[in-house]
Amino acid sequence: AQSVSQHNHHVILSEAASLELGCNYSYGGTVNLFWYVQYPGQHLQLLLKYFSGDPLVKGIKGFEAEFIKSKFSFNLRKPSVQWSDTAEYFCAVNARYGGATNKLIFGTGTLLAVQP
Amino acid sequence: DAGITQSPRHKVTETGTPVTLRCHQTENHRYMYWYRQDPGHGLRLIHYSYGVKDTDKGEVSDGYSVSRSKTEDFLLTLESATSSQTSVYFCAISESGSGGVNEQFFGPGTRLTVL
Repeated sequence: AQSVSQHNHHVILSEAASLELGCNYSYGGTVNLFWYVQYPGQHLQLLLKYFSGDPLVKGIKGFEAEFIKSKFSFNLRKPSVQWSDTAEYFCAVNARYGGATNKLIFGTGTLLAVQP
Repeated sequence: DAGITQSPRHKVTETGTPVTLRCHQTENHRYMYWYRQDPGHGLRLIHYSYGVKDTDKGEVSDGYSVSRSKTEDFLLTLESATSSQTSVYFCAISESGSGGVNEQFFGPGTRLTVL
Protein backbone atom coordinates (compact mmCIF):
# COMPACT_ATOMS: atom_id res chain seq x y z
CA ALA A 1 0.00 0.00 0.00
CA GLN A 2 1.14 3.51 -0.64
CA SER A 3 2.26 5.57 2.31
CA VAL A 4 3.55 9.04 3.02
CA SER A 5 6.08 9.81 5.73
CA GLN A 6 6.70 13.14 7.33
CA HIS A 7 9.58 12.60 9.68
CA ASN A 8 9.47 15.96 11.42
CA HIS A 9 6.43 15.95 13.67
CA HIS A 10 7.12 19.20 15.46
CA VAL A 11 9.47 21.96 14.32
CA ILE A 12 10.24 25.16 16.20
CA LEU A 13 12.02 28.00 14.41
CA SER A 14 12.78 31.64 15.01
CA GLU A 15 11.56 34.23 12.55
CA ALA A 16 13.81 34.61 9.49
CA ALA A 17 15.16 31.09 9.85
CA SER A 18 15.07 28.80 6.84
CA LEU A 19 12.60 25.94 6.71
CA GLU A 20 12.76 22.51 5.19
CA LEU A 21 10.11 19.90 5.91
CA GLY A 22 10.65 16.37 4.72
CA CYS A 23 8.16 14.23 2.82
CA ASN A 24 8.82 10.75 1.47
CA TYR A 25 6.36 8.47 -0.25
CA SER A 26 6.33 4.83 -1.16
CA TYR A 27 5.16 4.17 -4.68
CA GLY A 28 7.27 3.38 -7.72
CA GLY A 29 4.99 4.69 -10.44
CA THR A 30 3.69 8.07 -11.53
CA VAL A 31 2.63 10.32 -8.70
CA ASN A 32 1.06 13.69 -8.16
CA LEU A 33 2.27 15.50 -5.07
CA PHE A 34 0.76 18.17 -2.87
CA TRP A 35 1.56 20.25 0.18
CA TYR A 36 -1.32 21.59 2.22
CA VAL A 37 -1.25 23.99 5.16
CA GLN A 38 -3.70 24.18 8.05
CA TYR A 39 -3.61 27.37 10.12
CA PRO A 40 -4.89 27.08 13.70
CA GLY A 41 -8.63 26.45 13.73
CA GLN A 42 -8.94 26.48 9.95
CA HIS A 43 -9.37 24.02 7.11
CA LEU A 44 -6.63 22.74 4.82
CA GLN A 45 -5.46 25.00 2.02
CA LEU A 46 -3.26 24.08 -0.92
CA LEU A 47 0.28 25.48 -0.80
CA LEU A 48 1.58 23.92 -3.98
CA LYS A 49 1.32 20.89 -6.24
CA TYR A 50 3.44 18.89 -8.63
CA PHE A 51 2.01 16.99 -11.58
CA SER A 52 4.83 16.94 -14.12
CA GLY A 53 7.57 19.09 -15.64
CA ASP A 54 9.99 21.21 -13.63
CA PRO A 55 10.63 19.34 -10.38
CA LEU A 56 11.07 22.62 -8.51
CA VAL A 57 7.59 23.90 -7.76
CA LYS A 58 6.78 27.33 -6.42
CA GLY A 59 3.68 27.89 -4.37
CA ILE A 60 1.97 30.62 -2.45
CA LYS A 61 3.47 32.70 0.36
CA GLY A 62 7.07 32.07 -0.73
CA PHE A 63 7.00 28.30 -0.33
CA GLU A 64 8.60 25.93 -2.79
CA ALA A 65 9.12 22.18 -3.02
CA GLU A 66 11.45 19.95 -4.94
CA PHE A 67 10.44 16.58 -6.36
CA ILE A 68 13.35 14.15 -6.37
CA LYS A 69 12.10 10.99 -8.01
CA SER A 70 15.17 8.91 -7.17
CA LYS A 71 14.68 9.66 -3.49
CA PHE A 72 10.86 9.43 -3.51
CA SER A 73 10.87 12.82 -1.83
CA PHE A 74 8.97 16.09 -2.08
CA ASN A 75 10.45 18.37 0.55
CA LEU A 76 8.92 21.75 1.34
CA ARG A 77 11.17 24.79 1.74
CA LYS A 78 10.99 28.46 2.60
CA PRO A 79 14.09 30.63 2.87
CA SER A 80 12.81 32.87 5.68
CA VAL A 81 9.82 32.01 7.85
CA GLN A 82 7.47 34.44 9.52
CA TRP A 83 5.41 34.16 12.67
CA SER A 84 2.33 33.88 10.43
CA ASP A 85 3.69 30.61 9.02
CA THR A 86 2.86 28.90 12.31
CA ALA A 87 0.60 26.07 11.17
CA GLU A 88 0.43 22.36 10.48
CA TYR A 89 1.76 21.21 7.13
CA PHE A 90 0.61 18.08 5.33
CA CYS A 91 2.20 16.30 2.42
CA ALA A 92 -0.13 14.27 0.20
CA VAL A 93 0.37 11.89 -2.69
CA ASN A 94 -1.87 10.58 -5.40
CA ALA A 95 -0.63 7.43 -7.09
CA ARG A 96 -1.81 6.98 -10.63
CA TYR A 97 -2.40 3.45 -11.85
CA GLY A 98 -2.59 4.34 -15.52
CA GLY A 99 -5.46 6.63 -14.66
CA ALA A 100 -6.51 8.89 -11.88
CA THR A 101 -7.98 7.56 -8.70
CA ASN A 102 -8.49 11.05 -7.33
CA LYS A 103 -7.64 9.74 -3.87
CA LEU A 104 -4.96 11.37 -1.80
CA ILE A 105 -2.83 9.70 0.84
CA PHE A 106 -1.82 12.18 3.52
CA GLY A 107 1.17 12.21 5.79
CA THR A 108 0.67 12.64 9.52
CA GLY A 109 1.58 16.31 9.40
CA THR A 110 4.33 18.56 10.73
CA LEU A 111 3.45 21.18 13.29
CA LEU A 112 5.54 24.31 12.75
CA ALA A 113 5.84 26.91 15.48
CA VAL A 114 7.63 30.15 14.56
CA GLN A 115 8.80 32.22 17.47
CA PRO A 116 8.90 36.00 17.03
CA ASP B 1 -12.51 29.83 -0.98
CA ALA B 2 -14.36 27.02 -2.71
CA GLY B 3 -18.08 26.90 -1.98
CA ILE B 4 -18.16 24.11 0.57
CA THR B 5 -20.21 24.14 3.72
CA GLN B 6 -20.49 21.55 6.43
CA SER B 7 -23.23 21.15 8.97
CA PRO B 8 -23.31 21.02 11.86
CA ARG B 9 -19.98 22.66 12.69
CA HIS B 10 -19.98 21.27 16.22
CA LYS B 11 -21.87 18.37 17.71
CA VAL B 12 -21.86 16.53 21.00
CA THR B 13 -23.68 13.24 21.11
CA GLU B 14 -23.91 10.11 23.20
CA THR B 15 -22.59 6.65 22.48
CA GLY B 16 -25.02 4.56 20.48
CA THR B 17 -26.90 7.40 18.84
CA PRO B 18 -27.00 7.88 15.06
CA VAL B 19 -25.33 10.98 13.67
CA THR B 20 -25.45 12.47 10.17
CA LEU B 21 -23.03 15.08 8.91
CA ARG B 22 -23.75 17.04 5.76
CA CYS B 23 -21.43 18.43 3.16
CA HIS B 24 -22.81 20.83 0.58
CA GLN B 25 -20.92 22.24 -2.41
CA THR B 26 -21.80 24.89 -4.95
CA GLU B 27 -18.91 24.14 -7.34
CA ASN B 28 -20.55 21.26 -9.23
CA HIS B 29 -17.43 19.15 -8.69
CA ARG B 30 -17.70 15.47 -9.46
CA TYR B 31 -15.69 14.05 -6.57
CA MET B 32 -16.50 14.41 -2.89
CA TYR B 33 -14.67 12.98 0.10
CA TRP B 34 -15.05 12.53 3.83
CA TYR B 35 -11.93 12.53 6.02
CA ARG B 36 -11.36 12.39 9.71
CA GLN B 37 -8.47 14.21 11.34
CA ASP B 38 -6.92 12.92 14.54
CA PRO B 39 -3.68 13.92 16.28
CA GLY B 40 -0.79 11.77 15.10
CA HIS B 41 -2.76 10.34 12.20
CA GLY B 42 -3.15 13.27 9.85
CA LEU B 43 -6.14 12.96 7.55
CA ARG B 44 -7.61 9.58 6.81
CA LEU B 45 -10.13 8.92 4.08
CA ILE B 46 -13.44 7.48 5.26
CA HIS B 47 -15.50 7.32 2.06
CA TYR B 48 -15.54 9.10 -1.23
CA SER B 49 -17.91 9.62 -4.12
CA TYR B 50 -17.16 9.83 -7.83
CA GLY B 51 -20.67 10.75 -8.89
CA VAL B 52 -24.30 10.72 -7.84
CA LYS B 53 -25.03 7.39 -6.17
CA ASP B 54 -21.43 6.26 -6.81
CA THR B 55 -19.43 5.83 -3.62
CA ASP B 56 -16.52 3.76 -2.40
CA LYS B 57 -14.75 3.01 0.85
CA GLY B 58 -11.63 4.66 2.10
CA GLU B 59 -9.10 3.36 4.59
CA VAL B 60 -11.20 3.85 7.76
CA SER B 61 -14.77 3.14 6.62
CA ASP B 62 -15.90 0.78 9.39
CA GLY B 63 -18.81 2.26 11.32
CA TYR B 64 -19.57 4.86 8.67
CA SER B 65 -21.89 4.99 5.69
CA VAL B 66 -22.42 7.65 3.04
CA SER B 67 -24.98 8.72 0.51
CA ARG B 68 -24.98 11.06 -2.43
CA SER B 69 -28.36 11.60 -4.05
CA LYS B 70 -27.46 14.96 -5.59
CA THR B 71 -24.24 16.34 -7.00
CA GLU B 72 -24.07 19.01 -4.35
CA ASP B 73 -24.68 16.95 -1.20
CA PHE B 74 -22.64 14.20 0.41
CA LEU B 75 -23.87 12.80 3.72
CA LEU B 76 -21.81 10.91 6.26
CA THR B 77 -23.71 8.76 8.77
CA LEU B 78 -22.47 7.16 11.93
CA GLU B 79 -25.07 4.48 12.49
CA SER B 80 -24.25 4.06 16.17
CA ALA B 81 -21.66 6.51 17.37
CA THR B 82 -18.76 5.33 19.52
CA SER B 83 -16.20 7.31 21.51
CA SER B 84 -13.52 6.29 19.01
CA GLN B 85 -15.38 8.35 16.41
CA THR B 86 -14.73 11.56 18.33
CA SER B 87 -12.81 13.55 15.75
CA VAL B 88 -12.81 16.46 13.37
CA TYR B 89 -14.46 15.57 10.09
CA PHE B 90 -13.57 17.33 6.86
CA CYS B 91 -15.36 17.20 3.57
CA ALA B 92 -13.41 17.81 0.38
CA ILE B 93 -14.25 18.18 -3.31
CA SER B 94 -12.27 17.91 -6.50
CA GLU B 95 -12.62 17.75 -10.23
CA SER B 96 -10.51 15.85 -12.72
CA GLY B 97 -7.89 18.06 -14.31
CA SER B 98 -5.82 17.76 -17.45
CA GLY B 99 -3.33 15.65 -15.51
CA GLY B 100 -6.08 13.30 -14.44
CA VAL B 101 -6.04 14.38 -10.83
CA ASN B 102 -6.68 17.80 -9.44
CA GLU B 103 -6.33 19.36 -6.05
CA GLN B 104 -8.91 18.84 -3.35
CA PHE B 105 -10.66 21.77 -1.70
CA PHE B 106 -11.63 21.37 1.90
CA GLY B 107 -14.63 22.45 3.90
CA PRO B 108 -14.45 24.14 7.32
CA GLY B 109 -14.79 20.90 9.30
CA THR B 110 -17.18 19.46 11.86
CA ARG B 111 -15.99 18.80 15.39
CA LEU B 112 -17.82 15.73 16.73
CA THR B 113 -17.61 14.60 20.33
CA VAL B 114 -19.10 11.26 21.34
CA LEU B 115 -19.56 10.91 25.10
